[in-house]
Amino acid sequence: AQSVTQLGSHVSVSEGALVLLRCNYSSSVPPYLFWYVQYPNQGLQLLLKYTSAATLVKGINGFEAEFKKSETSFHLTKPSAHMSDAAEYFCAVSDPFGNEKLTFGTGTRLTIIP
Amino acid sequence: DGGITQSPKYLFRKEGQNVTLSCEQNLNHDAMYWYRQDPGQGLRLIYYSQIVNDFQKGDIAEGYSVSREKKESFPLTVTSAQKNPTAFYLCASSSRVGNGYTFGSGTRLTVV
Repeated sequence: AQSVTQLGSHVSVSEGALVLLRCNYSSSVPPYLFWYVQYPNQGLQLLLKYTSAATLVKGINGFEAEFKKSETSFHLTKPSAHMSDAAEYFCAVSDPFGNEKLTFGTGTRLTIIP
Repeated sequence: DGGITQSPKYLFRKEGQNVTLSCEQNLNHDAMYWYRQDPGQGLRLIYYSQIVNDFQKGDIAEGYSVSREKKESFPLTVTSAQKNPTAFYLCASSSRVGNGYTFGSGTRLTVV
């Protein structure tokens, strides 16, 4: 069974600063990994995904994530935070040899300080 | 444009009543899912369906029921047996492994 741990339920960064949201996974097989963003009272939107191609994945809105097998991590980064990045972010994992069902982390709420 | 439509966006229910949340997709996706979201608890899987006329319980299925009579539709009924139904409910669909989910915009259910 897969699982995902997101370190830090709340993260605050200053506008223009580096954004780093942490995600560690547990999986018995090489996983597929995803980052989603959720704005208040809305559904989740896919930011990026790793499906065993390049380990550095670029997504929408300037975000990227690096798959590190040795560290079982898939941290999300953005070089310079913008006020519009304030949202909740979810990391998710799926089994590439099983069904499409995703297991989600508990989320990290990102606050941007002006 | 293809997508998932959830309705209504806001729903109020009296205690003891059953209510049905609608989820329709025109993406031709085989799999559909219902999640419940509570503050600080992330997304918890209620039910999922990988094919028409078949569905499986998720982690918190008690007090909920679903049907999958058509590929496009996956309605969720919150029954009176659900003791704490106030939450944000999200429907999602997927096409194949590795594509991730497409989510609807959610329904916020409040028991009054």
